[in-house]
Amino acid sequence: SYELTQPPSVSVSPGQTASITCSGDKLGDKYACWYQQKPGQSPVLVIYQDTKRPSGIPERFSGSNSGSTATLTISGTQAMDEAVYYCQAWDSFTVVFGGGTKLTVL
Amino acid sequence: EVQLVESGGGLVQPGGSLRLSCTASGFTFSTYDMHWVRQATGKGLEWVSAIGTAGDPYYPGSVKGRFTISRENAKNSLYLQMNSLRAGDTAVYYCTRDPGGLTGWYFDLWGRGTLVTVSS
Repeated sequence: SYELTQPPSVSVSPGQTASITCSGDKLGDKYACWYQQKPGQSPVLVIYQDTKRPSGIPERFSGSNSGSTATLTISGTQAMDEAVYYCQAWDSFTVVFGGGTKLTVL
Repeated sequence: EVQLVESGGGLVQPGGSLRLSCTASGFTFSTYDMHWVRQATGKGLEWVSAIGTAGDPYYPGSVKGRFTISRENAKNSLYLQMNSLRAGDTAVYYCTRDPGGLTGWYFDLWGRGTLVTVSS
């Protein structure tokens, strides 16, 4: 079965750029998306179809996907961006999530 | 307001059954694929099932044969019938909306979730 691998944790200083990776076999051939989940809340879509931002998502969130790695980049990271981020892809009518990355802003 | 509201969760014994419901509002429910996604406490997200606009269902191996997804467009409602429940099915179950269509599945709207606890 298809698998997506994320680092368990990433740390970033306020105002700096955070990068969260998601790896999977030939992931670049599929569409990747990203969700943000804060404690006690439902996930929120922040990037879809590799690079697109839903309405209401700040411009500091961006995405890329090539080869075997998709990357979520948060520029000028703010304290409110501290959350768990999940990547997700679709393969053969099956949804696959990465294990999640805890982003700490310190 | 555009929203999804789940209901039907609760405590059930191993081997038991439960039916979850999700009521959609604020958008044309019948034009979207819909899914259920679950999350055990402190764990990651796990896809549970999908249903297309034509009623075609999809499941991962972990629930295939035990869970049945269905929809009733006239009532703007999505359902998940869960049978032969196991302790490992304990989780918050989210109803999600999928605008991806032929471009692939992803979820742009999530409900607040309903908790299912399988325990004796």
